[in-house]
Amino acid sequence: KNEVEQSPQNLTAQEGEFITINCSYSVGISALHWLQQHPGGGIVSLFMLSSGKKKHGRLIATINIQEKHSSLHITASHPRDSAVYICAVRSGTYKYIFGTGTRLKVLA
Amino acid sequence: DADVTQTPRNRITKTGKRIMLECSQTKGHDRMYWYRQDPGLGLRLIYYSFDVKDINKGEISDGYSVSRQAQAKFSLSLESAIPNQTALYFCATSENVGYEQFFGPGTRLTVL
Repeated sequence: KNEVEQSPQNLTAQEGEFITINCSYSVGISALHWLQQHPGGGIVSLFMLSSGKKKHGRLIATINIQEKHSSLHITASHPRDSAVYICAVRSGTYKYIFGTGTRLKVLA
Repeated sequence: DADVTQTPRNRITKTGKRIMLECSQTKGHDRMYWYRQDPGLGLRLIYYSFDVKDINKGEISDGYSVSRQAQAKFSLSLESAIPNQTALYFCATSENVGYEQFFGPGTRLTVL
């Protein structure tokens, strides 16, 4: 079993839908990151969380440390949100453990 | 201009060849990282460097070496490429450990 599990692996939504991507982890962490990988391959950091909730535009990320779970929400989804969303946890001094990603496709 | 650049962006090579992937950054960060990404797997750390004189192996360093020529430059070498090193390679930087990482655009390497 992977130390970082994401669900779903693939997700197709209609434009305007509310989307939730989940990340569960089994190790102790000091921070959790959400990343977005564009179809061309480039990766950008969306959020870094150690507790609570963060919001940026239409994106909201939450983390529950006790339950070892984080969610990424996208409100009013748009085709430009189509990408792979990656959860990564920082465990230890330098070690990051990455999930395998959730592939999101938003249809117009 | 991009803050983190990688060259080449695509490379096809043959088994046994020596390959160097280069990474440059203008963010002024001390921490630099090399990752590889394979289909169905998460990014995995190959090497990381906390400053010019500090280089450390990651979880999958076998078959790879690195050089930190300056704060801004971190190169990854495959001394004798093999087909299972075919992957997408990313360089990343961060201001400090645990801080947000900034990724380069990736290098797609194919070893025939």
